[in-house]
Amino acid sequence: AQSVTQLGSHVSVSEGALVLLRCNYSSSVPPYLFWYVQYPNQGLQLLLKYTTGATLVKGINGFEAEFKKSETSFHLTKPSAHMSDAAEYFCAVSEGDNQGGKLIFGQGTELSVKP
Amino acid sequence: GAGVSQSPSNKVTEKGKDVELRCDPISGHTALYWYRQSLGQGLEFLIYFQGNSAPDKSGLPSDRFSAERTGGSVSTLTIQRTQQEDSAVYLCASSLDGRGHNEQFFGPGTRLTVL
Repeated sequence: AQSVTQLGSHVSVSEGALVLLRCNYSSSVPPYLFWYVQYPNQGLQLLLKYTTGATLVKGINGFEAEFKKSETSFHLTKPSAHMSDAAEYFCAVSEGDNQGGKLIFGQGTELSVKP
Repeated sequence: GAGVSQSPSNKVTEKGKDVELRCDPISGHTALYWYRQSLGQGLEFLIYFQGNSAPDKSGLPSDRFSAERTGGSVSTLTIQRTQQEDSAVYLCASSLDGRGHNEQFFGPGTRLTVL
């Protein structure tokens, strides 16, 4: 069965500091991996995804993530945090193209950015 | 263009009452998903529709929960005899088709409170 683990339910960084949000997954088949962001009282918005090809993927708002098969990880990074990055971030996995595409989510990481 | 819409945005009901939650997906999207977001359980998959059929209902927590989709478009999630543990935000998402690599677009959610 698939599962996703996000290390740290809450991460706090200073404005301008590196953002690192950790995600590890378990999947019996090559996974598709996603990072979504949720701003307060809003729905989820896709930041980036890995399907095939290049393992370093770039997304919106300066975020990027690297798929590391050997480590079963898909950590999210941003070189310099902005106040507007404060939100909750969810890592998710889906299995292949023939399973209906349902997403299995991690528990989420709330990012706080201090001035 | 229009995104995924959900109604109502908030619903307060008494224990034991039935509720209906509505989702309008993006036009042309054949796949539709329902998820539940609660403090204790995080983001959980409930059900997946491809067209008007539901090939994956594995996430529905009990037989009090049901969903339908008509005309390959609007979907309704019905919860009968609501319980306090049903209190959560119910999110709807749609994607172009049910293949796992496609982005799911989320609506703003319906916040359900069961008193």
